Amino acid sequence: NAGVTQTPKFQVLKTGQSMTLQCAQDMNHEYMSWYRQDPGMGLRLIHYSVGAGITDQGEVPNGYNVSRSTTEDFPLRLLSAAPSQTSVYFCASSYQTKGDTQYFGPGTRLTVL
Amino acid sequence: GESVGLHLPTLSVQEGDNSIINCAYSNSASDYFIWYKQESGKGPQFIIDIRSNMDKRQGQRVTVLLNKTVKHLSLQIAATQPGDSAVYFCAEKPGNQFYFGTGTSLTVIP
Repeated sequence: NAGVTQTPKFQVLKTGQSMTLQCAQDMNHEYMSWYRQDPGMGLRLIHYSVGAGITDQGEVPNGYNVSRSTTEDFPLRLLSAAPSQTSVYFCASSYQTKGDTQYFGPGTRLTVL
Repeated sequence: GESVGLHLPTLSVQEGDNSIINCAYSNSASDYFIWYKQESGKGPQFIIDIRSNMDKRQGQRVTVLLNKTVKHLSLQIAATQPGDSAVYFCAEKPGNQFYFGTGTSLTVIP
């Protein structure tokens, strides 16, 4: 298994541009989530999904959209990038929604100028 | 929001000594806890987990202790090795969301 994969690894955007961060897992996990990691603030949940067709907001959802059309994929869309969205983004997945280990991808380092 | 805090942002230990990393959590409804290790430039890696119906769980060289009375979690690493140098996060899960602490940076001195 490849586990959780994320693309791209690095991205530079200009303010106002849009882009999609890709996340895929091949472990047939129901639960997938997106986090951002900023210095001194730990990991903060952006959006999560408990299964295909179901998404919900996390702690910091503003400025981001998600969809879950398949079990494997959970893309994160930035509609109009802002410098405040400069961060490292991690996707994670787990088999069940409750009480199960999350496996993280390698991350995407995003810079918004 | 949730508050998951770590008592010390940095910790330095001699190789071969035991390490203890502490974590305070705030939600008494949290019933699942995880410790992660994160090396520079990589995603968090699962170390060990514990459910709220347990006080202690042991893995290979690691032990997690849970004190629900004071909402405290600790990670003990036995015979710390240079490869253990990383940032360690605790996370609590009261529902469908995980809440993470800010991390403790562990440095192992050879």
